[in-house]
Amino acid sequence: AQTVTQSQPEMSVQEAETVTLSCTYDTSESDYYLFWYKQPPSRQMILVIRQEAYKQQNATENRFSVNFQKAAKSFSLKISDSQLGDAAMYFCACAGADGLTFGKGTHLIIQP
Amino acid sequence: GAVVSQHPSWVICKSGTSVKIECRSLDFQATTMFWYRQFPKKSLMLMATSNEGSKATYEQGVEKDKFLINHASLTLSTLTVTSAHPEDSSFYICSASRQSFSNQPQHFGDGTRLSIL
Repeated sequence: AQTVTQSQPEMSVQEAETVTLSCTYDTSESDYYLFWYKQPPSRQMILVIRQEAYKQQNATENRFSVNFQKAAKSFSLKISDSQLGDAAMYFCACAGADGLTFGKGTHLIIQP
Repeated sequence: GAVVSQHPSWVICKSGTSVKIECRSLDFQATTMFWYRQFPKKSLMLMATSNEGSKATYEQGVEKDKFLINHASLTLSTLTVTSAHPEDSSFYICSASRQSFSNQPQHFGDGTRLSIL
């Protein structure tokens, strides 16, 4: 079984600043994948970034990057140059043989 | 892209009726489709996983006679909430994946808000 923990129910950041969302996970599998999904008020689930566990290099997608620490089972998301459109719920997820397991989410507020 | 269409987006009906929700992959073939339930300000809870042509696999605690899932083709899965009651009111989201392998990202529909009066 997999578990995903997001310890920050809510985060707030000034527009144009950088924010980091924390995520830790636990899995007994050696082959797994990690994802960050964004859910804006429209409630659509949008894939932000994904990381293969076997890759040491941290994934990046434009203003979004991750800090993947495999030994510590940590998978944080960094958002640079925060924009008003980044305001949403962010879910960390771990995919393995049991399927996709989500964390409880972090509500990100962008202050203009 | 990978577009998943979910219909209807919002449905209100009387207690005791059955409601069918459709999930379609528009531009790819989805070997596996997933159904989630989400309560307000909560995370997504997996209800069941369905593979095309096979019976769905339900998560523990999910009544398979209550939530009927059909995945008859590679582009369509349906969730039918039978004899719906107010406690079934929730936000239901489907997702689709090209393969059953865990490394394939799931592409989500826009969700269906179900309100049972």
